[in-house]
Amino acid sequence: DQQVKQNSPSLSVQEGRISILNCDYTNSMFDYFLWYKKYPAEGPTFLISISSIKDKNEDGRFTVFLNKSAKHLSLHIVPSQPGDSAVYFCAAGSSGNTGKLIFGQGTTLQVKP
Amino acid sequence: DGGITQSPKYLFRKEGQNVTLSCEQNLNHDAMYWYRQDPGQGLRLIYYSQIVNDFQKGDIAEGYSVSREKKESFPLTVTSAQKNPTAFYLCASSGGTHTEAFFGQGTRLTVV
Repeated sequence: DQQVKQNSPSLSVQEGRISILNCDYTNSMFDYFLWYKKYPAEGPTFLISISSIKDKNEDGRFTVFLNKSAKHLSLHIVPSQPGDSAVYFCAAGSSGNTGKLIFGQGTTLQVKP
Repeated sequence: DGGITQSPKYLFRKEGQNVTLSCEQNLNHDAMYWYRQDPGQGLRLIYYSQIVNDFQKGDIAEGYSVSREKKESFPLTVTSAQKNPTAFYLCASSGGTHTEAFFGQGTRLTVV
């Protein structure tokens, strides 16, 4: 049973435009969420996180939105740059699981020049 | 530099052999994790350890074993019982809840 789902395997956007990556979860015990970026044959690198007590967190070009009632979060990248092309994973954790993270399947973002 | 190191980057194993993947961190993190990545399936948790001398099974622990004798080290053994061991293996560590996990560069294991 997939507790964290990224239903779009891929996304293609034009440089300068907004990229929106989506993630849904089913476990209501999750209380913090993270986005990671991954290049082929490398480990994921942390991008941004959000606690369930917030509905938005912003860091430069990256903004994460959380809709708890819909059990949905999204990552907005604006403006998108070719260097943003990578696989993006959302992950979720709960206070009761002391750091254990559950990951989605990933979305491959391609930003075209 | 603080970080998490996995070795080797590429590993080849013959069928029926056990192999051990190394993971070392100098971030002073209590928790360490092993994930496996397969195409289209994201990262799946194999084992995790929240403290020295203690570890728990993740979602896909069958055919794997771990040890946590030191805070800095969390080696993963892929045994011959693992039916489909060819994958990209990622080790991570974290300082606790509501903090990000830091990942190593991964080990690509191929069974030949």
